[in-house]
Amino acid sequence: DVKVTQSSRYLVKRTGEKVFLECVQDMDHENMFWYRQDPGLGLRLIYFSYDVKMKEKGDIPEGYSVSREKKERFSLILESASTNQTSMYLCASLKGLNTGELFFGEGSRLTVL
Amino acid sequence: GESVGLHLPTLSVQEGDNSIINCAYSNSASDYFIWYKQESGKGPQFIIDIRSNMDKRQGQRVTVLLNKTVKHLSLQIAATQPGDSAVYFCAENSGGSNYKLTFGKGTLLTVNP
Repeated sequence: DVKVTQSSRYLVKRTGEKVFLECVQDMDHENMFWYRQDPGLGLRLIYFSYDVKMKEKGDIPEGYSVSREKKERFSLILESASTNQTSMYLCASLKGLNTGELFFGEGSRLTVL
Repeated sequence: GESVGLHLPTLSVQEGDNSIINCAYSNSASDYFIWYKQESGKGPQFIIDIRSNMDKRQGQRVTVLLNKTVKHLSLQIAATQPGDSAVYFCAENSGGSNYKLTFGKGTLLTVNP
């Protein structure tokens, strides 16, 4: 069974803390994505990566960075967490760029106090 | 129905009935559309996609209809089951690439036994 695994389902952090959200996929997909999901706003793309060490900004990259050192792992980094980054974060992977069939993880719910 | 910019609409149906979930998309240049299902506590799951050179596409118990004239997309679920209860999102490739998707805000489908 193919899988995208997000290491933390729930996190509580304080304002100003550095936060790492980790995501691993076992499908050997080149492309990986980070979205945030907020009520009334739907899913919004933060960053995506189309290869190891390659990344591209999505629609809302401000306040975030990413790291892709290995094909299977894509990390989202909040350098200095703020309360407006309280959200559900979803990682996804994609086999090829001619399809939109994203495989999502179960999400990481981050609360910043 | 669902449209980018509105709060989450809801649809309640009886088990065994057919469900129709609607989506109005915004970008006339979009040529690829996808439906995702998100169950409570889980990440979105791909259901079906359709390209703009088609009006209709069928899957297992689901049918997607595309009306490009009025920029309208619908998902029909036959013989709705309790396991179909979820939030359903439509997405369009308004970014020009199949993988750069703009998601709608979703429709909550509740199936009553």
